[in-house]
Amino acid sequence: AQRVTQPEKLLSVFKGAPVELKCNYSYSGSPELFWYVQYSRQRLQLLLRHISRESIKGFTADLNKGETSFHLKKPFAQEEDSAMYYCASGGTSYGKLTFGQGTILTVHP
Amino acid sequence: DGGITQSPKYLFRKEGQNVTLSCEQNLNHDAMYWYRQDPGQGLRLIYYSQIVNDFQKGDIAEGYSVSREKKESFPLTVTSAQKNPTAFYLCASSSTGTGANEQFFGPGTRLTVL
Repeated sequence: AQRVTQPEKLLSVFKGAPVELKCNYSYSGSPELFWYVQYSRQRLQLLLRHISRESIKGFTADLNKGETSFHLKKPFAQEEDSAMYYCASGGTSYGKLTFGQGTILTVHP
Repeated sequence: DGGITQSPKYLFRKEGQNVTLSCEQNLNHDAMYWYRQDPGQGLRLIYYSQIVNDFQKGDIAEGYSVSREKKESFPLTVTSAQKNPTAFYLCASSSTGTGANEQFFGPGTRLTVL
């Protein structure tokens, strides 16, 4: 079975500092990986997916197959980045995703 | 903010009662999903459906039941057999095709057992 691990439940940084949210996955095939974000009082939404190779709101994530990781990074955190972030993996069954435990990011002023 | 809707927003249930959570989507998506969100445990899949009149158990299906009679609707019933039903429930939908596709989420229903 697929597993997605986010080792940090809580992550705090100051505004302007770099931030990295860790995600490791276990899947022997070719995974499809996603980062979802849930801002306060908003619904869960897609932030980015690895196949698009986009930078969304300054965030990037690189798939490292050797380390089975898909860490989310931003060079300069902003207070509005404070949210719950979920890493998710798919690929075994059409549309079905496995989510990590989530990381609550707090960016202090 | 349509797309996918859930009702009610808050739901209270007495022990021993069954309750049904509604999920509707107008995105013309074939696939729909129910998740349970608990602090520190992330999102756990309860049931999913890839097409009308068909659904599969997820990782934590015990104590839950679903139906998929219409493409737009995927109601979840929390039965009295669910030992710890107090949680936040999220419904999602996606198109289907090769690989995993973006899932769109509803606003959620918070169920509290009194």
